[in-house]
Amino acid sequence: EPEVTQTPSHQVTQMGQEVILRCVPISNHLYFYWYRQILGQKVEFLVSFYNNEISEKSEIFDDQFSVERPDGSNFTLKIRSTKLEDSAMYFCASGNYEQYFGPGTRLTVT
Amino acid sequence: GESVGLHLPTLSVQEGDNSIINCAYSNSASDYFIWYKQESGKGPQFIIDIRSNMDKRQGQRVTVLLNKTVKHLSLQIAATQPGDSAVYFCAVYTGTASKLTFGTGTRLQVTL
Repeated sequence: EPEVTQTPSHQVTQMGQEVILRCVPISNHLYFYWYRQILGQKVEFLVSFYNNEISEKSEIFDDQFSVERPDGSNFTLKIRSTKLEDSAMYFCASGNYEQYFGPGTRLTVT
Repeated sequence: GESVGLHLPTLSVQEGDNSIINCAYSNSASDYFIWYKQESGKGPQFIIDIRSNMDKRQGQRVTVLLNKTVKHLSLQIAATQPGDSAVYFCAVYTGTASKLTFGTGTRLQVTL
């Protein structure tokens, strides 16, 4: 059964550094998403992407964040200058209405 | 905006019993609802969904009930097993496929 995959599984970075989180969505899906989950809290929406553009974003998704679909398979989330409070699990999801989630990338900002 | 809440943070059930996890949502325009299961260290796993034109949907050992009048959603798990132990989230779409709003989660603990 096809799955959403994410790399890396764990990323440690210093405050102020740029990180890129990578996702390979399920191939016939049209919508792509990023969510984050701070430890012990609920899953929060960051951004949705459809037809090669952002369709909706939350207030969390400020100018430090960007998304890209550089080729036909990858979907990336870039954080330009990481802050301590960006430490969280970041989940990619894809779907055509239902959403299927990847295993997540744990981002630790020190 | 949408807020989604859960009635209990933790639910403890005995193996073999039925479990019921509840969720309330605030926006009457919400039209699509999904239940997810999240095991420790993993991403949310799709369990079952229901659209607003239905009030009940059944899967394998799971049933989702939707009461639009009181804006309430429940997940019933029949014959709960140890492997069902996880955090369960309800998630809601309102109007578009762009954004899911998640509830705060209920931790289901299955005791032997």
